[in-house]
Amino acid sequence: NAGVTQTPKFQVLKTGQSMTLQCAQDMNHNSMYWYRQDPGMGLRLIYYSASEGTTDKGEVPNGYNVSRLNKREFSLRLESAAPSQTSVYFCASRDPRGVYYEQYFGPGTRLTVT
Amino acid sequence: DQQVKQNSPSLSVQEGRISILNCDYTNSMFDYFLWYKKYPAEGPTFLISISSIKDKNEDGRFTVFLNKSAKHLSLHIVPSQPGDSAVYFCAAMQGAQKLVFGQGTRLTINP
Repeated sequence: NAGVTQTPKFQVLKTGQSMTLQCAQDMNHNSMYWYRQDPGMGLRLIYYSASEGTTDKGEVPNGYNVSRLNKREFSLRLESAAPSQTSVYFCASRDPRGVYYEQYFGPGTRLTVT
Repeated sequence: DQQVKQNSPSLSVQEGRISILNCDYTNSMFDYFLWYKKYPAEGPTFLISISSIKDKNEDGRFTVFLNKSAKHLSLHIVPSQPGDSAVYFCAAMQGAQKLVFGQGTRLTINP
């Protein structure tokens, strides 16, 4: 099992450009999440999808959109990138029936917006 | 407003000694807490968790303590090993889906 995979690993965008970050999991988990990590801020939830067909805003959703394409895939789109969106983005998944509530994280995408 | 706080950005401990990482929270509705470990250029990995109905949970070298009255939890690592050098995040469950993370503490184990 690959677990949670993310593409790309690195990306540099100019202000105003758009891009989609891809995430896939092969653990048959129902719930998927997108976080951003900034220095001194920990991880902050952008959007999540409790199950296929549903998405909800997290703590910092402005400037982002998401699509839960199917049970495996959850993408994050930046329509018009801004320097404030320079960050490391992590995707995660969880089985809500799991005992320990832990989320499994992908390796991250490092995004720089100039 | 930071609901989960790790006030020590970094901690340095000698190999073989105990490492104690601390975490404070403000929301009394949190009922489940987790610790994650993160190496550079990797995603966080789950380490250990504790329910609010308990005050201690142990897994090998790792023990988490919860003091609900003080809204404080701590992670003890005994004995500390060089491979424990990483950033540690404390997190709390908010509702059924959301994890609220602290800022992280960078632990360095010195030989």
